[in-house]
Order: sequence, then structure tokens, then C-alpha cells
Amino acid sequence: EIVMTQYPATLSVSPGERATLSCRASQTFSRDLAWYQQKPGQAPRLLIYSASTRATGVPARFSGSGSGTEFTLTISSLQPEDSAIYYCQQYNKWPPLTFGGGTKVEI
Amino acid sequence: EVQLVQSGAEVKKPGESLKISCKTSGYTFTDYWIGWVRQVPGKGLEWMGIIYPGDSDTRYSPSFQGQVSISADKSTTTAYLQWSSLKASDTAIYFCAKSYGGYSYYFDYWGQGTLVTVSS
Repeated sequence: EIVMTQYPATLSVSPGERATLSCRASQTFSRDLAWYQQKPGQAPRLLIYSASTRATGVPARFSGSGSGTEFTLTISSLQPEDSAIYYCQQYNKWPPLTFGGGTKVEI
Repeated sequence: EVQLVQSGAEVKKPGESLKISCKTSGYTFTDYWIGWVRQVPGKGLEWMGIIYPGDSDTRYSPSFQGQVSISADKSTTTAYLQWSSLKASDTAIYFCAKSYGGYSYYFDYWGQGTLVTVSS
């Protein structure tokens, strides 16, 4: 099983600042990684797939990068509506598909 | 428009059985895997299993193998998650989600979630 570890657990940033969220895999793989955003009381929303491809309708301030064991989600200029928990998920080796523990972004 | 609409909240007693549903529309049901994800309130996302409605191929997380059963009904384009004997530790929100397709097992559309509460 590939274990996904996200850090930091909580990130406090001011509006307009850049936020960098990290996701580390216990085994190396290429780019089979997705990022999701979850707001309170809502289902997760797909943001990024294939490590760096934005899903339909996702603002350009969200970007993904990385391969191997280290992946990053960057929010270039935080907006108040970006306050949420962000999860990474690997889909390279499964079952099981595995999620990281999440990073809470506070604005 | 792709939609996944889940059944309503449930309150059950330990030992009872339960089947929750995920009604899909807006795409070809048999062409895409549908997964189930558990979220204990205040905690993270846990992948439980996935089914390909086209041939009912089903895979489970080792953590949930034998604890739940996933099925799909092509005639109603509905996926199901069921328990034969609930435990208090099954209290959680359960999401169904459609996979993107091909060999890409990430989820592009999600249901709204079903809260299952198990309490004596």
C-alpha cells in the first residue's frame, strides 16, 4: 500500500499570499496523483489530476507539480473562498487507492 | 449534466443491516468505475472500494474487505453500499464518486454524501 503523507496539517495564510501544500508518497510513482478541495459540509471537489492538470472550471491560481515521491499544490494568491481542507490521492498502485490525511488552509 | 444523488441519512442500531444508494445520471453508467469513500466526522477520506458497472468487477480496500459489499444495478444506473451487521464504528459520512475513466482512478464527480449513524 502506498501511504500518502500531507504537510503541514494546518496552514494559516493571509488573503493574496501564496500557499504551498505538500504530499509525500511512501513509494515512487510518476504522476498518478490528484488533489481535492473539501469545504465544510460539502463533498470533495476535484482540483488537479495527473499531478499538474487542472480540472474543468478550476481557477488558474491553483497549480500542481511534482513526481516520484514529492508532490505540491500551490495556490498562488489566496482568496477567502479557498479556506478548506485539501487532500491528495494516488491512483498509481491499487487497491487500495489512498488519500493523504489532508491539509487545512485557514485564511 | 453528470449527477450522483445519494440516499438520505440513516440511523441504525448495532447489528442491523443497511443498504445505501447512489443514483447516477448524465453519463453512460456502464463505462465508468464508481467508488465509495468513508469520512468519519472531523477526519479524512478513506477509500473503501470501487465497482465497474459494465461487468460488476469490484475491488475493495483491505481495510473494508469483508465488512461491506458494493453492487450496481445497470437498469436503474444506481450503485449501492451495504452492511450486513453494522457497528458503532461505521458511523460516518459515505460518499460515492465517479471515476474519470480509462486507467485514471481519480474521482471527477461526487455524490452529496450519506450520513450513517449507528448507535444503541
